[in-house]
Amino acid sequence: GENVEQHPSTLSVQEGDSAVIKCTYSDSASNYFPWYKQELGKGPQLIIDIRSNVGEKKDQRIAVTLNKTAKHFSLHITETQPEDSAVYFCAASLYNFNKFYFGSGTKLNVKP
Amino acid sequence: SAVISQKPSRDICQRGTSLTIQCQVDSQVTMMFWYRQQPGQSLTLIATANQGSEATYESGFVIDKFPISRPNLTFSTLTVSNMSPEDSSIYLCSVDIRGKYNEQFFGPGTRLTVL
Repeated sequence: GENVEQHPSTLSVQEGDSAVIKCTYSDSASNYFPWYKQELGKGPQLIIDIRSNVGEKKDQRIAVTLNKTAKHFSLHITETQPEDSAVYFCAASLYNFNKFYFGSGTKLNVKP
Repeated sequence: SAVISQKPSRDICQRGTSLTIQCQVDSQVTMMFWYRQQPGQSLTLIATANQGSEATYESGFVIDKFPISRPNLTFSTLTVSNMSPEDSSIYLCSVDIRGKYNEQFFGPGTRLTVL
């Protein structure tokens, strides 16, 4: 089955700096890669996703890049703000199959 | 997007008892999912619940321990049976709202502590 590894497990940045979280996956057939943000006491919130026919996707301060050859994808947050502090999870799945394989999570702390 | 609610939001239970968690969506969805998130850990899929059919369980999860109901397109329940402290986790439901494969949206979760 699919194995998703996520790094780093914790990330501390200064407000205004950029943050990058990286994930690798093992199954080359995976073709959908969502990112979730989980704040304390809440359920995960879908913040951005990418499909394997696209190399990069942006939404305001958030971007995701995908390298299918290397089987890794990354979340980029620019101009970080304290409200970006949360745990971020990456996931991989095969299109038309709803089973998600989640990474282990990254706790992002944005210091004001 | 849709509004997904779960009840209860949290509970503290005694070992050996059972707890039923409810998940309600404000729109009709075909696929609903139940996840477990152990303290400080990632999310693990327990089962997929489609209306009108038996739930499909992932490896390591069995129907006797986690019975699931899906009586209609907006509601599902997960029961955690004969609980032990190892069942202490956050239980999350998610839904595929737009009928597009892969896009899952999560409820707020039920935080369960078993003493």
